[in-house]
Amino acid sequence: GAVVSQHPSRVICKSGTSVKIECRSLDFQATTMFWYRQFPKKSLMLMATSNEGSKATYEQGVEKDKFLINHASLTLSTLTVTSAHPEDSSFYICRPALSNYGYTFGSGTRLTVV
Amino acid sequence: SQQGEEDPQALSIQEGENATMNCSYKTSINNLQWYRQNSGRGLVHLILIRSNEREKHSGRLRVTLDTSKKSSSLLITASRAADTASYFCATDARETSGSRLTFGEGTQLTVNP
Repeated sequence: GAVVSQHPSRVICKSGTSVKIECRSLDFQATTMFWYRQFPKKSLMLMATSNEGSKATYEQGVEKDKFLINHASLTLSTLTVTSAHPEDSSFYICRPALSNYGYTFGSGTRLTVV
Repeated sequence: SQQGEEDPQALSIQEGENATMNCSYKTSINNLQWYRQNSGRGLVHLILIRSNEREKHSGRLRVTLDTSKKSSSLLITASRAADTASYFCATDARETSGSRLTFGEGTQLTVNP
């Protein structure tokens, strides 16, 4: 099955700094990547959809300038949380759009902003 | 936006008992899936049921789908302490897995040894 590698699994950063989260497809090409956010004890909320070679599509209420998404290649999509603040602390998960390989998710990134 | 609602929000049972979780959704779907998530970890895909199916089994899992009521249930039989986790339903409106999923709010299951 398809494997997507997400890094880092945990990150602690200071307020005002930026953090980059990577999702890399290891044995397939992903033209589309979904990025989700999960608050503690809450469900997953779709933040944005990235497409290789084009601009990402953001869900309503998600700040484009704060959550920068880059999908420069068919095997790598990145989410950068810019000028992070404590309220950005959350669990971030990626999921590639796979027409033939079923549903698979990255292992998630726990971001803590102090 | 989230369309799924799950109940109960939290469920605590003893080992060996059965656990039933319910999920409701609002729009038409192609399939519905159930996922498990251990605390602070990623999602594990448990089972998928298509809109033209009514019931599906996988090991100790039994899923039902009632498209007329827009609801689904997940039954875990003979529960074990290791089943302690959060369980989420997710709906997919399209035929391929290349589309977005909409998640329910989840049920936190605690199985006491």
